[in-house]
Amino acid sequence: DAGVIQSPRHEVTEMGQEVTLRCKPISGHNSLFWYRQTMMRGLELLIYFNNNVPIDDSGMPEDRFSAKMPNASFSTLKIQPSEPRDSAVYFCASTQQGALTQPQHFGDGTRLSIL
Amino acid sequence: GESVGLHLPTLSVQEGDNSIINCAYSNSASDYFIWYKQESGKGPQFIIDIRSNMDKRQGQRVTVLLNKTVKHLSLQIAATQPGDSAVYFCAEKFSSGNQFYFGTGTSLTVIP
Repeated sequence: DAGVIQSPRHEVTEMGQEVTLRCKPISGHNSLFWYRQTMMRGLELLIYFNNNVPIDDSGMPEDRFSAKMPNASFSTLKIQPSEPRDSAVYFCASTQQGALTQPQHFGDGTRLSIL
Repeated sequence: GESVGLHLPTLSVQEGDNSIINCAYSNSASDYFIWYKQESGKGPQFIIDIRSNMDKRQGQRVTVLLNKTVKHLSLQIAATQPGDSAVYFCAEKFSSGNQFYFGTGTSLTVIP
């Protein structure tokens, strides 16, 4: 079975540019999570969706970050404009909402470097 | 100046020995716990989970112990192998909500 698929795997861009990260959750999962991982802060939850609806975006750092989930099989995390401090590994995870004992399944992340 | 990052606890074990990785969780109302393994360049990978109504669960070479009295979770790896070298995270889910909260991780190095 295909796991969570993220693209691109690596992104290097100059500050000020728009960055779009993409995620395809596991088929049948209806909850999707975006995380950021850095050495300074570890793994931080940015936002999560249930049934394509954003539930909690309190972890989104600032207005430069936005996330959408137009359908059950696709989500994007956008940073505009990007800054060097946004450099991190961004993970997407999915799970089945409502099931008590369902772990989150992670993609392999997008390593983002803002120069 | 020098940047300050998370200080990951580290554990080094000889190949073949057993490993024990510990985690203190925060919320006495958490009802579900997971251990993840993260290898370099990859996302966290599910290892084993346990519900709050249990105190022990076993998998293949791994055992998770839950002590709700002191809010402590441990992961035991039997006959540790070089392929077990990774960062291990515990995660807890509060009884309300769908979010998981992750610990800072422990770096395990297996010495051949």
